[in-house]
Amino acid sequence: GQQVMQIPQYQHVQEGEDFTTYCNSSTTLSNIQWYKQRPGGHPVFLIQLVKSGEVKKQKRLTFQFGEAKKNSSLHITATQTTDVGTYFCAGLFISNFGNEKLTFGTGTRLTIIP
Amino acid sequence: EAGVTQFPSHSVIEKGQTVTLRCDPISGHDNLYWYRRVMGKEIKFLLHFVKESKQDESGMPNNRFLAERTGGTYSTLKVQPAELEDSGVYFCASSPINTGELFFGEGSRLTVL
Repeated sequence: GQQVMQIPQYQHVQEGEDFTTYCNSSTTLSNIQWYKQRPGGHPVFLIQLVKSGEVKKQKRLTFQFGEAKKNSSLHITATQTTDVGTYFCAGLFISNFGNEKLTFGTGTRLTIIP
Repeated sequence: EAGVTQFPSHSVIEKGQTVTLRCDPISGHDNLYWYRRVMGKEIKFLLHFVKESKQDESGMPNNRFLAERTGGTYSTLKVQPAELEDSGVYFCASSPINTGELFFGEGSRLTVL
């Protein structure tokens, strides 16, 4: 079945340092989404990437979709304490029958040292 | 506009008992999904409804789990009988047709003792 792996599983950074999480799929994705889950909260949609090689920015966050549409990354510049949480990528797979399934990655838990 | 609501927020039951979780999606959202997160691991897909029809239930662990979506509105997920490994947070998410973003509920935390 489709698998989406994320690394690292955990990341502890000093406030102000950069952070990157990487997402890899075993098969080509239709698109990829990123979600953030704060401690004790629920996943909240951040962004969706559709095109091969696409790059999108949201303030200090930069999202990339690989040329082969099998990998993606999220980079946060100059982390702040509000960035704490678990970041999930989610790849959209389309089956041979045309069914769409959004498969979540394993998540990267970010903690910030003030 | 109300978001996705889930009930109960937390349920503690004994092994062998039955629990029913409910999800009210955002009004007008035809897509409804159930996901489960166990012990801080990945968010695992359980099933997907389009209106009242089960589009994909390949993630349902076994026949102890039964999901329904009456009239294409709210959905229920019943676990009967519950086992220890069923503990986790069950998330419901909804979305309109042909859009990507999923709107998640707050989740129902299930603890099986």
